[in-house]
Amino acid sequence: DTGVSQNPRHKITKRGQNVTFRCDPISEHNRLYWYRQTLGQGPEFLTYFQNEAQLEKSRLLSDRFSAERPKGSFSTLEIQRTEQGDSAMYLCASSLQGEQFFGPGTRLTVL
Amino acid sequence: DQQVKQNSPSLSVQEGRISILNCDYTNSMFDYFLWYKKYPAEGPTFLISISSIKDKNEDGRFTVFLNKSAKHLSLHIVPSQPGDSAVYFCAAREGRDSSYKLIFGSGTRLLVRP
Repeated sequence: DTGVSQNPRHKITKRGQNVTFRCDPISEHNRLYWYRQTLGQGPEFLTYFQNEAQLEKSRLLSDRFSAERPKGSFSTLEIQRTEQGDSAMYLCASSLQGEQFFGPGTRLTVL
Repeated sequence: DQQVKQNSPSLSVQEGRISILNCDYTNSMFDYFLWYKKYPAEGPTFLISISSIKDKNEDGRFTVFLNKSAKHLSLHIVPSQPGDSAVYFCAAREGRDSSYKLIFGSGTRLLVRP
């Protein structure tokens, strides 16, 4: 399977805990995006990498959120001190220049 | 401030008929538009796109129409099939934004009845 993969698919955590998600993009794609989707809404942009450089962050991305793409391949998104409002689907997408290809997402539930 | 709006949360269509999904936008700097389809528990799947220099793009049963003066686009599915039942998202990006990040609408849930 050469699509975008994300792990884990589901994560349940208690408020205050840290969580980390992983995204493996399509191998030749240099652009990588993280989005967040809540119920009844479309995906909202969080951050963007071109190769290993994080070039843009949304104001939605509070200082509890950090993302990395250390070797320009896979990426991780960490949320520290999770809050109930962080419960959402976290989507990763990759592209060259045209359409973005999405992974299946990681559904986070913060209790 | 929603820059991309899908005002119909749901649409129900008989199999074999045409499905028309609508999308409005407010940002005149958008120059590329995309439609994605999403099934439950899966990520969005790219369906079709259109550049702002065109007013129509067709791919099999799917056609996207763009009316720049009205800041409106629509997705036509003909003929509709039960497997088309999903949530459809309209998305747009700004040409001057080098990140190519997408701005999504809130989606329209399409149900195609057998």
